[in-house]
Amino acid sequence: DAMVIQNPRYQVTQFGKPVTLSCSQTLNHNVMYWYQQKSSQAPKLLFHYYDKDFNNEADTPDNFQSRRPNTSFCFLDIRSPGLGDAAMYLCATSTEGRYQETQYFGPGTRLLVL
Amino acid sequence: AQSVTQLGSHVSVSEGALVLLRCNYSSSVPPYLFWYVQYPNQGLQLLLKYTSAATLVKGINGFEAEFKKSETSFHLTKPSAHMSDAAEYFCAVTVNFGNEKLTFGTGTRLTIIP
Repeated sequence: DAMVIQNPRYQVTQFGKPVTLSCSQTLNHNVMYWYQQKSSQAPKLLFHYYDKDFNNEADTPDNFQSRRPNTSFCFLDIRSPGLGDAAMYLCATSTEGRYQETQYFGPGTRLLVL
Repeated sequence: AQSVTQLGSHVSVSEGALVLLRCNYSSSVPPYLFWYVQYPNQGLQLLLKYTSAATLVKGINGFEAEFKKSETSFHLTKPSAHMSDAAEYFCAVTVNFGNEKLTFGTGTRLTIIP
């Protein structure tokens, strides 16, 4: 089945220690998104890639970076995680990023910062 | 900018009873509206979406929603609740103008009482 895969499902890191979260997709979609979802809150868009074009949200901290080496993979790098970065990180994809399109979500990576 | 408001962060219904989850939107241009469901420790899954076709939209798992422009609402309903419906439900909005990102509501946690 075509899907969005996120690894690992749970990640524990130390305060200030860089961490990378991974997302891959077999849907061959052009657009990949990263969302941050804190407990009992709505998902918040961090950035997205349309193909290789990177689009950062204005309020996304510089501490968060992303890489998309090819169509299938996208990475979220947190350079110096703080306690406030503990959250569920959701990867999603869509075909062309148009407004009416469905976004397909992965299961998420829950990040714990000690 | 567009936004959605979900009334009731927690809703409890008895098994077999009507499910009604409320969503009101704010948008200066015609909106496109979505309902997503999130089961514990999982990503979001699309239930249904309104993209300016029929105002009554049928989705998966027996859910439906009606777009009411006069009330700026897009409430989600299901005639008979099942235990497996227990989850978090998010209403989301986007528009075909300017920043087209998906904006989520804060979610409603649905509990089913046996």
